Amino acid sequence: LAKTTQPISMDSYEGQEVNITCSHNNIATNDYITWYQQFPSQGPRFIIQGYKTKVTNEVASLFIPADRKSSTLSLPRVSLSDTAVYYCLVVQTGANNLFFGTGTRLTVIP
Amino acid sequence: DGGITQSPKYLFRKEGQNVTLSCEQNLNHDAMYWYRQDPGQGLRLIYYSQIVNDFQKGDIAEGYSVSREKKESFPLTVTSAQKNPTAFYLCASSLFPGAGTDTQYFGPGTRLTVL
Repeated sequence: LAKTTQPISMDSYEGQEVNITCSHNNIATNDYITWYQQFPSQGPRFIIQGYKTKVTNEVASLFIPADRKSSTLSLPRVSLSDTAVYYCLVVQTGANNLFFGTGTRLTVIP
Repeated sequence: DGGITQSPKYLFRKEGQNVTLSCEQNLNHDAMYWYRQDPGQGLRLIYYSQIVNDFQKGDIAEGYSVSREKKESFPLTVTSAQKNPTAFYLCASSLFPGAGTDTQYFGPGTRLTVL
């Protein structure tokens, strides 16, 4: 399984843009990068997925440089309700397992 | 209203007892999964099933058992052989297991406490 490294925690004030960077040095050619969000006592929820360059949806943007060894999840103008744990996963084609590390605990401060 | 349901939300068990956690999905997904999450930790895979009547062990299968008799259902039994069963249990399903673009949909979880 391709492992990822991301900061354990981050704090941000309401209204700011938050960028969470994930390192995945051993990503393979056919692997995709997926981010999930988890609130306390709930199951993780899919946020965004990408392969290269930039992907944007109504919730977030995902930036992936050309070498694909890292990725950055960008949350525009966070609110208190964005306080959660964010997991970066590398999804390997053919694998039957997703590796959820400890994620990044984002705390949004009023 | 499509999704994954898990029941019960909270479960208490005495030591030495087996207990079964329910997971049902109406998303028509072939693949289903069971994860365990301990406080402050990520998710660890217990069992997964890619098709009815077939399932595979994950990373921490010891002390657990599953069945997959119907596409919609994937119950997990925590047996007395599981040494430290107190945890948050999450069930998930997905449409394209093994594909790089596969995403998993999770249920609300069951919190099991052994007294």
